[in-house]
Amino acid sequence: DAGVIQSPRHEVTEMGQEVTLRCKPISGHNSLFWYRQTMMRGLELLIYFNNNVPIDDSGMPEDRFSAKMPNASFSTLKIQPSEPRDSAVYFCASSLADTEAFFGQGTRLTVV
Amino acid sequence: GIQVEQSPPDLILQEGANSTLRCNFSDSVNNLQWFHQNPWGQLINLFYIPSGTKQNGRLSATTVATERYSLLYISSSQTTDSGVYFCAVGSGGGADGLTFGKGTHLIIQP
Repeated sequence: DAGVIQSPRHEVTEMGQEVTLRCKPISGHNSLFWYRQTMMRGLELLIYFNNNVPIDDSGMPEDRFSAKMPNASFSTLKIQPSEPRDSAVYFCASSLADTEAFFGQGTRLTVV
Repeated sequence: GIQVEQSPPDLILQEGANSTLRCNFSDSVNNLQWFHQNPWGQLINLFYIPSGTKQNGRLSATTVATERYSLLYISSSQTTDSGVYFCAVGSGGGADGLTFGKGTHLIIQP
């Protein structure tokens, strides 16, 4: 398996623009997670899905953030409108139930 | 929520040295993982170890769940071991995500 695949790897956008981050989990995994990494806050869980259903989005910082998982092989994290403080590395991870989680390479987002 | 503390926060060693990294957590866990974040930012899985002891080459890990800590041992360090080592735990039933510590920043000097 190719592992968790995220796109794009880098994104630079202007404040106010919509940003969409994409994730393809490992085939057969039924849990998917979105994390954000910043210098100030470290790695923090934003939202996770079990069997394509959002279970806990309490980590999503604001209503400007939304996530979807339309099928077992695809998820998106959208920020609309984006702000400079959203600049971070966003990771997607997947696992089979509550076993070992595997992370994608991340998307480095810069909002100017 | 559960708290995860890692120590030391920073560690500088010479190539060939051994090291022990510690992870303390504040509540019972059913998932514990160690990761290495390399200089390119990739999170590489080292161990999935909610309890017991595992070894993989020069690395080994031990989790004592009843005492709420885990240790990562690195022997005969190489410069490629440099990076940040994260401990992450999960405490709920089912797949509920991981809570990460702040990491140990390890620098191996040649």
